[in-house]
Formats: sequence, structure tokens, C-alpha cells
Amino acid sequence: LAKTTQPISMDSYEGQEVNITCSHNNIATNDYITWYQQFPSQGPRFIIQGYKTKVTNEVASLFIPADRKSSTLSLPRVSLSDTAVYYCLVGDRGNTGFQKLVFGTGTRLLVSP
Amino acid sequence: EAGVAQSPRYKIIEKRQSVAFWCNPISGHATLYWYQQILGQGPKLLIQFQNNGVVDDSQLPKDRFSAERLKGVDSTLKIQPAKLEDSAVYLCASSSLRDTSYEQYFGPGTRLTVT
Repeated sequence: LAKTTQPISMDSYEGQEVNITCSHNNIATNDYITWYQQFPSQGPRFIIQGYKTKVTNEVASLFIPADRKSSTLSLPRVSLSDTAVYYCLVGDRGNTGFQKLVFGTGTRLLVSP
Repeated sequence: EAGVAQSPRYKIIEKRQSVAFWCNPISGHATLYWYQQILGQGPKLLIQFQNNGVVDDSQLPKDRFSAERLKGVDSTLKIQPAKLEDSAVYLCASSSLRDTSYEQYFGPGTRLTVT
């Protein structure tokens, strides 16, 4: 299983861009990288997923270098409502869905006014 | 589209008692997961179902935890007898094989307190 390492916490201010980097040195060829967001008293929510290069959706961008040993979640112009815990997961997207996904402790992002 | 439903939202029991949690996944989602999330930690997968078959239960404490998914829809997670260290939020999630990202949709969770 690919193990991930993320910073425990990050602080930012409203309107800034936030980049959270995840290290996954033993990522396997078939593994995808997925990020989830979790607010207090709620279940995690899917943000973005990628395999290589760059992926962008309406809320975030995911940058994956060629060696795929790390990835960076980029949140443009954060607001107070982006204060949450962000989890990086690595797993094999096989024919029957992800198996054995392991959530780490995540990165606690605090956005201040 | 209705989300993943869980009940109850909160439960307080004494140690050695039993408790059951219920989950109704999103309609049509073949895969269902139960996670345990202890305060300050990320969710830990307890069991994964594909329709009504178990895909992975390697982290389920089988001496006290059991789960079933009859007819491949609703699922129940039971703890008997409960221990103090079982105090946690129990999250249910579901995903669809038709969604190529296999995004997991999580319910609100059941917060269990064992005293």
C-alpha cells in the first residue's frame, strides 16, 4: 500500500492561493491520487483525482510531477469556508473500484480573515 | 439525488452493551464502505461490500464487530459488546462502478460514545 505524508497543518488568509503537498514515494503504476475535504461533523467530500500531469476542476487543481512521487493540491483564492481537513489518498483504480484506501491524518487548513 | 443516509446520528451506550448502525447508500451504488473515525484521525476502513459480498474486511475486529448488506442495498454495522475505545464516528460511504473516478460519497456519520 502506498503511504502518504502531508503537513499536519497550514495557515492562510482569505484570497490567497494555498498549495498542499503530499508525498507518496512508493506509488504503484496503477495507483491514482485522490484528494478529499472534510468539515467538522461531516463525512469527507471528494475534491479531485488525477494520475499524471495536471487536473483542474471548478474548485481545485492537482499537480503531479512526472515521477508521481508527490502531488500538490492547489486551492485558488481561499475563503473562510475552505477551513477544513484535506486528505491525500493513493490507490489502485481497478475494475471493481478502489480497495484498501488508507486515509492518513490529513492536513488541517485554517483560513483567517 | 439523495445522499447517503445514516441513523442514528448519535448514540451513547455503556461498555459491554451492543449497538447497531444503519446505512442506506445512494441508489444504484454497488460499493458500500464502513469507516471508523476516531477524533483527530483520518477515517479507517472497516469493511467494503461489492453488492452484498464482502471485498475487504481485514481491519474489522471480527470478535466484536459484524456487518451485513442484505440484498445489496442497505447495510447494518453492529458492535457487541462495545468497549470504551469504540467511541468514534462511524461513517458509511458508497460509490458507483459507473463513475470512473470511483468517488466515495459519505454520509453524515453516527457519533458513538461508550461510557
